[in-house]
Amino acid sequence: DAKTTQPTSMDCAEGRAANLPCNHSTISGNEYVYWYRQIHSQGPQYIIHGLKNNETNEMASLIITEDRKSSTLILPHATLRDTAVYYCIVRPSGSSNTGKLIFGQGTTLQVKP
Amino acid sequence: DVKVTQSSRYLVKRTGEKVFLECVQDMDHENMFWYRQDPGLGLRLIYFSYDVKMKEKGDIPEGYSVSREKKERFSLILESASTNQTSMYLCASSTSTGGEQPQHFGDGTRLSIL
Repeated sequence: DAKTTQPTSMDCAEGRAANLPCNHSTISGNEYVYWYRQIHSQGPQYIIHGLKNNETNEMASLIITEDRKSSTLILPHATLRDTAVYYCIVRPSGSSNTGKLIFGQGTTLQVKP
Repeated sequence: DVKVTQSSRYLVKRTGEKVFLECVQDMDHENMFWYRQDPGLGLRLIYFSYDVKMKEKGDIPEGYSVSREKKERFSLILESASTNQTSMYLCASSTSTGGEQPQHFGDGTRLSIL
């Protein structure tokens, strides 16, 4: 699976948009970009995923560059409850592998009042 | 809404005990997974199951076994608990092992072996 690179930490003011970047320069054409987050002492929470097009759901938006080498997760109006570690990963399509997820160090997002 | 339920949030057991961790999903997912998560080591796959009564070893199956008698339930068994199995255990489920569909996680069980 392609490797991802994320900043170690970021701060965001409550009520403002949080923009979390992720580099995945070695991504293959069949690999999806995924975002999960993990609030302290809880299980990882799925946020959003995409292949080529930008995606939006009730939690966030995912912007993928045209060359697919990087992406940005946008939380439009961050709240204190969005303070968490955010993981960007890539996963190949198809069911030929175990499906195991591999999380890197992620970005620790601190939302401040 | 997607729901993966793990039977305990916190569990304390003694060395040598047989420990059962239970996971139930209500989404009719074919695939279920058990991971452990340790500081500095990230997520590590212990076992996964792609169908009832089917199981496959992950990266660190030693000391563990699993059971999947019903589609919605996937149990992790520590045959003889040891202190190095103190960890956060996470269950996940999905409709696919491929990237088309996400895995959804439970809240985790923080297991301490004394």
